Amino acid sequence: NAGVMQNPRHLVRRRGQEARLRCSPMKGHSHVYWYRQLPEEGLKFMVYLQKENIIDESGMPKERFSAEFPKEGPSILRIQQVVRGDSAAYFCASSPSGLQSYGYTFGSGTRLTVV
Amino acid sequence: AQSVTQLGSHVSVSEGALVLLRCNYSSSVPPYLFWYVQYPNQGLQLLLKYTSAATLVKGINGFEAEFKKSETSFHLTKPSAHMSDAAEYFCAVIPNSGNTPLVFGKGTRLSVIA
Repeated sequence: NAGVMQNPRHLVRRRGQEARLRCSPMKGHSHVYWYRQLPEEGLKFMVYLQKENIIDESGMPKERFSAEFPKEGPSILRIQQVVRGDSAAYFCASSPSGLQSYGYTFGSGTRLTVV
Repeated sequence: AQSVTQLGSHVSVSEGALVLLRCNYSSSVPPYLFWYVQYPNQGLQLLLKYTSAATLVKGINGFEAEFKKSETSFHLTKPSAHMSDAAEYFCAVIPNSGNTPLVFGKGTRLSVIA
């Protein structure tokens, strides 16, 4: 039973390009969460999605960032016109239900470097 | 907004010594609390969680944590450190005891010295 799969593991983009990060949740999990990790800052919540719905996007920057979780296929975190400050590790997590006390299963992350 | 504070961004212990990683939460009601571990270049792995059952929670790899309401703390301990315990540890809380996504502390990097 594969865990949460994220790809690519490493992504290098030039300033102004688009970055697309993919996340396939664990089998049977229909809730996906995206977090961003910056050095010395821990993990910051970005967005929480259920299939075809955005449940909570309170941590997502208003500009350039978007996320989706279609009925079929992985969840996608999209960053348009990347800037150096977007360089970070982006982690996806999934859970089988919206009951937060269950806890999450995390993927290994995508490390984005903007040059 | 509810948060967790991890005291000490870096803790260093000798192999075989007690591990104590501190976490305090801000809440007027007992929250749900979690400890996660992150090994280099990997994702986070759940160590243990408190969900208002027993106040002493046992987790994987010999770790445990005790919920102390009077101190608003949920410190992580292990009696004897092993080299393989070297990693970053994150405390997390569900804000407002509700159903909103986990909020993480800034993490504590544990080094184990031979």
